[in-house]
Amino acid sequence: TQLLEQSPQFLSIQEGENLTVYCNSSSVFSSLQWYRQEPGEGPVLLVTVVTGGEVKKLKRLTFQFGDARKDSSLHITAAQPGDTGLYLCAGVDTSGTYKYIFGTGTRLKVLA
Amino acid sequence: GAGVSQTPSNKVTEKGKYVELRCDPISGHTALYWYRQSLGQGPEFLIYFQGTGAADDSGLPNDRFFAVRPEGSVSTLKIQRTERGDSAVYLCASSLTSGTGTDTQYFGPGTRLTVL
Repeated sequence: TQLLEQSPQFLSIQEGENLTVYCNSSSVFSSLQWYRQEPGEGPVLLVTVVTGGEVKKLKRLTFQFGDARKDSSLHITAAQPGDTGLYLCAGVDTSGTYKYIFGTGTRLKVLA
Repeated sequence: GAGVSQTPSNKVTEKGKYVELRCDPISGHTALYWYRQSLGQGPEFLIYFQGTGAADDSGLPNDRFFAVRPEGSVSTLKIQRTERGDSAVYLCASSLTSGTGTDTQYFGPGTRLTVL
């Protein structure tokens, strides 16, 4: 079974700071997705990256897929309190029936 | 419907009891997924349906867990003889397509199950 490890597990920063969250695996994924989840709600899809080395930007969020398609990163520029939440990466388990595997999660708190 | 809905939002039960958790997916979505999430952790895959059939149930922890989707729409997750370790948030998601790696899963708000 393919596993996705995220780091850091927790991150507390001041408003305006930059941060990077990592999602790593020893397995190759055909694509990776990033979600954000707020308390009491389900995860919401932010982006899907498909091609090795691909970079996608969503306002202040920059997502990158590793060249070997084993890892991904999420960089937030000038974090705001509204960015607070649980960030999750997810990939398809291509060794079986293409079910989705979620990472361990990074809990981000941005202080005003 | 506007989105994925799950009922009840909260369920408190006693050890050994039977519970049913319901998921109403977005109309027209053929794929439906169940996940279990512990506090601060990522969702753990349980089972996914393509239409009425279970495409993959490898994530169900044991035979106390069972899920159905008889008409290819609403799904029910059933847990028999509940244990305290079953306490978690149970998430349901649906998607228009499945198995591509680029499917957009739309999640419901979850059912928080507490087993006393």
